[in-house]
Amino acid sequence: NAGVTQTPKFRVLKTGQSMTLLCAQDMNHEYMYWYRQDPGMGLRLIHYSVGEGTTAKGEVPDGYNVSRLKKQNFLLGLESAAPSQTSVYFCASSYGGRTDTQYFGPGTRLTVL
Amino acid sequence: GNSVTQMEGPVTLSEEAFLTINCTYTATGYPSLFWYVQYPGEGLQLLLKATKADDKGSNKGFEATYRKETTSFHLEKGSVQVSDSAVYFCALIPMNRDDKIIFGKGTRLHILP
Repeated sequence: NAGVTQTPKFRVLKTGQSMTLLCAQDMNHEYMYWYRQDPGMGLRLIHYSVGEGTTAKGEVPDGYNVSRLKKQNFLLGLESAAPSQTSVYFCASSYGGRTDTQYFGPGTRLTVL
Repeated sequence: GNSVTQMEGPVTLSEEAFLTINCTYTATGYPSLFWYVQYPGEGLQLLLKATKADDKGSNKGFEATYRKETTSFHLEKGSVQVSDSAVYFCALIPMNRDDKIIFGKGTRLHILP
């Protein structure tokens, strides 16, 4: 039981490049989330999904797209990376919403030059 | 709007000292309240939670009581260990079903042997 895994762990991009971050969970959770963590800012929700085939915007969605084609996977895409997207990205999942515990992946450290 | 305010860090204590990390919130009604912990190089993990007023969450020697009258959820531990060194995040989920979890900015804790 791996829990929540994220690929890759580290990545360096040049401005304008694109990339996709993969999140996978093996707990049969319905809800999945993408956050970014910046110094002094805590965690901010980018996008989330309440089930396979659904996505919704969070607090800071601009510049990102997501897809949930399979229940166990949640992909975060950057179409044209900008230095402001340099951050640590965390994926999380939960069985339900609201009061259910969120389980986090180990994070992806992204640097955009 | 909804918000979480927690004390600025870093907090540095000696082993076996008493710990308090303050957390206050702004939200209508009765949100659910959480403390998450992030150990170095890892994702966040739930430490404890409380879903209604006067509830006390507890885990691993840590406690926090949901105080509606003071809109607070302070984290306490009677005797800290070096292994408690981490970043601690207070968070809330509002009553409104459309609102998602809101994290505080985090408090870094250093425990000296």
